[in-house]
Amino acid sequence: AQSVTQPDIHITVSEGASLELRCNYSYGATPYLFWYVQSPGQGLQLLLKYFSGDTLVQGIKGFEAEFKRSQSSFNLRKPSVHWSDAAEYFCAVAARFNTGGFKTIFGAGTRLFVKA
Amino acid sequence: EAGVTQFPSHSVIEKGQTVTLRCDPISGHDNLYWYRRVMGKEIKFLLHFVKESKQDESGMPNNRFLAERTGGTYSTLKVQPAELEDSGVYFCASSQVHEQFFGPGTRLTVL
Repeated sequence: AQSVTQPDIHITVSEGASLELRCNYSYGATPYLFWYVQSPGQGLQLLLKYFSGDTLVQGIKGFEAEFKRSQSSFNLRKPSVHWSDAAEYFCAVAARFNTGGFKTIFGAGTRLFVKA
Repeated sequence: EAGVTQFPSHSVIEKGQTVTLRCDPISGHDNLYWYRRVMGKEIKFLLHFVKESKQDESGMPNNRFLAERTGGTYSTLKVQPAELEDSGVYFCASSQVHEQFFGPGTRLTVL
């Protein structure tokens, strides 16, 4: 069965420090992978996506993620965290329906706290 | 280009009442999806429309939930009667292929 695991429920980093959020997926075929961010009171915003090609993908707000097929991972990174990055982050995989089309399977989310 | 919009942004109702959530997808997107996140849990798939047809409603929790997409444009999700455990955030998304664009969500609180 398709699934996404985010092992860290919450992470606290200092402003200016580097960040890595972990994500592992289980999916039988080539995955379409996403990272979304949800700030308090806001909707889901797409940070970046991986469909094919270069396994290191760049996103908005200085985020990047690396797809590692051998590890079934798609970890999100940022070299220097800003206080405004405090939010909840969701890793997701697009799973194909039997009838065609896709649905998004989300991880449980990682809440990021940024301390001054 | 306008994104996916949802109405209302918040809804507070009492147990046993009825609530209808609306989603307007991106123009031209045939696929429309509903998801929800109940408190502390994962965002879960509810159902998928292609135009006006339901393709997969395997995620709908029970028969108190009814989704429609008249004319293949906007969609509504009705909860009748609402129960306490229905509280959460309901997201709508639309797509043409595999990238889904999400709306801001409707936060539903059932008292």
